[in-house]
Amino acid sequence: AQSVTQLDSQVPVFEEAPVELRCNYSSSVSVYLFWYVQYPNQGLQLLLKYLSGSTLVKGINGFEAEFNKSQTSFHLRKPSVHISDTAEYFCAVRGRGYQKVTFGTGTKLQVIP
Amino acid sequence: DTAVSQTPKYLVTQMGNDKSIKCEQNLGHDTMYWYKQDSKKFLKIMFSYNNKELIINETVPNRFSPKSPDKAHLNLHINSLELGDSAVYFCASSRAETASYEQYFGPGTRLTVT
Repeated sequence: AQSVTQLDSQVPVFEEAPVELRCNYSSSVSVYLFWYVQYPNQGLQLLLKYLSGSTLVKGINGFEAEFNKSQTSFHLRKPSVHISDTAEYFCAVRGRGYQKVTFGTGTKLQVIP
Repeated sequence: DTAVSQTPKYLVTQMGNDKSIKCEQNLGHDTMYWYKQDSKKFLKIMFSYNNKELIINETVPNRFSPKSPDKAHLNLHINSLELGDSAVYFCASSRAETASYEQYFGPGTRLTVT
């Protein structure tokens, strides 16, 4: 079984400030981890993914995430946000050998001018 | 070029009707999915097909029936629509169902049942 927890349903942050969106997962096997972004009225788009190797993963639009196996976390960070980053962000996990991807409940990032 | 497309984008219908949503991908992927996103943005997988074969079938009412005529298409037919079926339905595709490859999502179909 696998699950994903995104503790923050909404995160307001001022423009040009740093942000961290938290994600914790649970799985009985090794995992692949993903962050997706959903802009208003659009489908989901991949931001970045962790497959193996380096625990720091860089993605599009200046985002990065760090895989922490001991804390079963995969938090998403950006050093300076823009208005255009306002969107819903989803963390997702797929256990190796499993067919299903499980998504978290999403975190709404609101960038304040 | 649109990678994953869905039609229609909006669908408003009355309770008890039957409706279909179509999905097509031009990425050459062999696996396709249907997800339901409710009003709280919770995203839940419904079905997955690999090379036209059903591989994931979550606990979904049997009023929902997926059909995959070929690798590039996965349609969703819904019988006897209910108010609770109102949601955004997303189609997605990926290269292989057991690998790490990410999923590519369509723009969604907003279904409103009145």
